[in-house]
Amino acid sequence: DGGITQSPKYLFRKEGQNVTLSCEQNLNHDAMYWYRQDPGQGLRLIYYSQIVNDFQKGDIAEGYSVSREKKESFPLTVTSAQKNPTAFYLCASSIDRTANTEAFFGQGTRLTVV
Amino acid sequence: EDKVVQSPLSLVVHEGDTVTLNCSYEVTNFRSLLWYKQEKKAPTFLFMLTSSGIEKKSGRLSSILDKKELFSILNITATQTGDSAIYLCARAGNNRKLIWGLGTSLAVNP
Repeated sequence: DGGITQSPKYLFRKEGQNVTLSCEQNLNHDAMYWYRQDPGQGLRLIYYSQIVNDFQKGDIAEGYSVSREKKESFPLTVTSAQKNPTAFYLCASSIDRTANTEAFFGQGTRLTVV
Repeated sequence: EDKVVQSPLSLVVHEGDTVTLNCSYEVTNFRSLLWYKQEKKAPTFLFMLTSSGIEKKSGRLSSILDKKELFSILNITATQTGDSAIYLCARAGNNRKLIWGLGTSLAVNP
């Protein structure tokens, strides 16, 4: 089945460690996005990529890094520089680089830093 | 500032009630407005609206966009407990990003 898959669903890390969240899609979508969702704050854009080997910072990129070496994959690394990394992370993709089409979401990764 | 504002932030109703959720935005030039339903994890797509005054309908859900007054509404008739969720609204801008509202948390009690 076509879709977008995030892994793992739950992740626990010690403070100061980098951690990488996986996002894979087999929808042949050009655009991929990473969002962070905190209670009462809606979806905030971390990074987005409209094409392979290219990505742009979103509104809260500090402390995060991404890569887009393959069309299907857009991993997000939460670095030790991110001051408050505990959150629910959502990956999305859309067929249209202009964001004028619906975005499909993965099931999310809940990251807890202890 | 370019914001999307949803209201109310939360709502509690009884099964069978009709609810209207609001989404307002601040810019006049945009490509589309999208509604999503988020139950536990992934938001799922409901509607994309690009033209003013044309209602989109899917079962008990319907939505319409007013480009003159800069808002959209999402209606749910004959609500069921399965409609309990967070409803998210997003505006697609010319800068290729989606601007999201905070969502409306709807609880439908039996």
